[in-house]
Amino acid sequence: AQKVTQAQTEISVVEKEDVTLDCVYETRDTTYYLFWYKQPPSGELVFLIRRNSFDEQNEISGRYSWNFQKSTSSFNFTITASQVVDSAVYFCALSGGHTDKLIFGTGTRLQVFP
Amino acid sequence: EAGVTQFPSHSVIEKGQTVTLRCDPISGHDNLYWYRRVMGKEIKFLLHFVKESKQDESGMPNNRFLAERTGGTYSTLKVQPAELEDSGVYFCASSQVRERSFGETQYFGPGTRLLVL
Repeated sequence: AQKVTQAQTEISVVEKEDVTLDCVYETRDTTYYLFWYKQPPSGELVFLIRRNSFDEQNEISGRYSWNFQKSTSSFNFTITASQVVDSAVYFCALSGGHTDKLIFGTGTRLQVFP
Repeated sequence: EAGVTQFPSHSVIEKGQTVTLRCDPISGHDNLYWYRRVMGKEIKFLLHFVKESKQDESGMPNNRFLAERTGGTYSTLKVQPAELEDSGVYFCASSQVRERSFGETQYFGPGTRLLVL
């Protein structure tokens, strides 16, 4: 069965701190896809990144970076020099190689204080 | 280009009433998905349309839920009769269809917040 675990329910940091959001997944598929979505206070789910299982290269986009490690089944998300606008709920999600259905984690609420 | 839109943004109804949620996908996206988040829990898949056909409806909780996508454009999700446990946020998402490919990025709408009293 597929499963995504986001063990951190809530994280609070002060602006300019770095913060890492953990995501651990379980799947029996050899091909799968991992995603991160951001849900700001306005409620919509904003796509951040998509990663294929056969591409373990880490990615950096501005202050955001993602560390994909198949050996530990993890796809962690780091925000460098956090800002108040980063305050949101962040969801990690997984889809298998034979279906488009997304399996979500329970989300991590990040609060960045000025 | 317009994103996924959902209507209404909020709905408060009484137990036993009927509610219909609407989703307009991104233009050109043949895949359309419905998800639901019950308070404090994870976002769960309900069903998947490819154009007007139901590809996967394994997440539909029971026969009080009816989803349609006539003409392969917008979709509606009807709950009849609504129960207290149906309260939550209903998200719609869409993605492109690519031959022999899965894992396409799904773009989500803002959700409909449903409260059943």
